[in-house]
Amino acid sequence: QIQLQESGPGLVEPSQTLSLTCTVSGGSIDSGSYYWSWVRQPAGGGLEWIGRVHTSGSTDYKSSLKSRVAISIDTSKNQFSLKVSSVTAADTAVYYCARSTPRGSRYGMDVWGQGTTVSVSS
Amino acid sequence: DIQMTQSPSSLSAFVGDRVTITCRASQPINIYLSWYQKKSGQAPKLLIHGASSLVSGVPSRFSGGGSGTDFTLTINGLQPDDFATYYCQQSYSVLYTFGQGTRLDSK
Repeated sequence: QIQLQESGPGLVEPSQTLSLTCTVSGGSIDSGSYYWSWVRQPAGGGLEWIGRVHTSGSTDYKSSLKSRVAISIDTSKNQFSLKVSSVTAADTAVYYCARSTPRGSRYGMDVWGQGTTVSVSS
Repeated sequence: DIQMTQSPSSLSAFVGDRVTITCRASQPINIYLSWYQKKSGQAPKLLIHGASSLVSGVPSRFSGGGSGTDFTLTINGLQPDDFATYYCQQSYSVLYTFGQGTRLDSK
């Protein structure tokens, strides 16, 4: 049973870079053609898809965040990572990592991490 | 990016009720629509993908329908565990987007 676990600093200063890692356990991150996504939810707000990385390393990003976001995959560590640069208070949220279903990237995300809270504050 | 609009934003219902949530896409998305249940402090849970395919283990009181731009999530016979926020999400585009959510609470 594959599991995901987010990790990273819970507090980031404004204008700095937010960095999170999602560690995959119970299976290999590159065993199959999966997309690995980052999703966030600000307090009192809805879910926002940030972007995704394929096991091949190709990426897609939400248009409004594209200039500040980078997602990468490290198959040797069974991890994928998120970086958001020039953060502001608007980036304060619970951040989730997730995997697309085995059926394909067009059929939702069926495995999720528990989420990690990141606050942007000085 | 494709915009997803859910209605209503919130609704109240009794245990045993039948409720329907709608989701509209800003452009046709075929059947590439998923529904999630989100409870406070928990990760989203995938309920339905491909607009109408129930994920294994999800109770059959949940059902989804629609194609193109208009979709529905119906819960037949609400149970106490169903009070949560529900989100639709399109994956027709490589740039996924979620609806704003529908909060379902107990009347």
